[in-house]
Amino acid sequence: QKEVEQDPGPLSVPEGAIVSLNCTYSNSAFQYFMWYRQYSRKGPELLMYTYSSGNKEDGRFTAQVDKSSKYISLFIRDSQPSDSATYLCAMSAGGASKIIFGSGTRLSIRP
Amino acid sequence: GAVVSQHPSWVICKSGTSVKIECRSLDFQATTMFWYRQFPKQSLMLMATSNEGSKATYEQGVEKDKFLINHASLTLSTLTVTSAHPEDSSFYICSARDVRFQPTDTQYFGPGTRLTVL
Repeated sequence: QKEVEQDPGPLSVPEGAIVSLNCTYSNSAFQYFMWYRQYSRKGPELLMYTYSSGNKEDGRFTAQVDKSSKYISLFIRDSQPSDSATYLCAMSAGGASKIIFGSGTRLSIRP
Repeated sequence: GAVVSQHPSWVICKSGTSVKIECRSLDFQATTMFWYRQFPKQSLMLMATSNEGSKATYEQGVEKDKFLINHASLTLSTLTVTSAHPEDSSFYICSARDVRFQPTDTQYFGPGTRLTVL
């Protein structure tokens, strides 16, 4: 079993829809949770960063962490074609431990 | 936000030659940098962790004599692919850990280097 599981998609939704992206994990030591966006042939860009459980909102993006269920989500409101990219979840236990990445979900927003 | 640059952005080389890729943190000091490899439509594969002033730590299955990493300063790490072969063709991405003002687990990525070995 992988430490982090993420549905690879592809996920295709119409413009303006609410998008929900999710990851599950098995390591209860994870404390730091991140979402990255990666456009084709570009490096990943940090979108959201959350420590421990709870919600964090930044513009159209909301990150949720449920440590009891070992489940994290990224919501995108009012989705735009420019949001079309691969979204990677990532997490770590902190300190010198490695960051573990999900396999990424390819998202396509249809105009 | 923290900015990480990579050079070159793409390179084509002949089989058997060596290629050096530079990774720089532009507006912060990075005691730790990471090198990843990514194949098309696949996720990031960590190759090695580079700490300033010490030897890199390689992941299992990554040949340290083939992928030479040097982290000589707090803002620069280099990856040299020695005696490159077509199977080394890939997208190489570096990242740097920014420890300023926040927990130590935020990594900022460079734009990547596409290597094609003929």
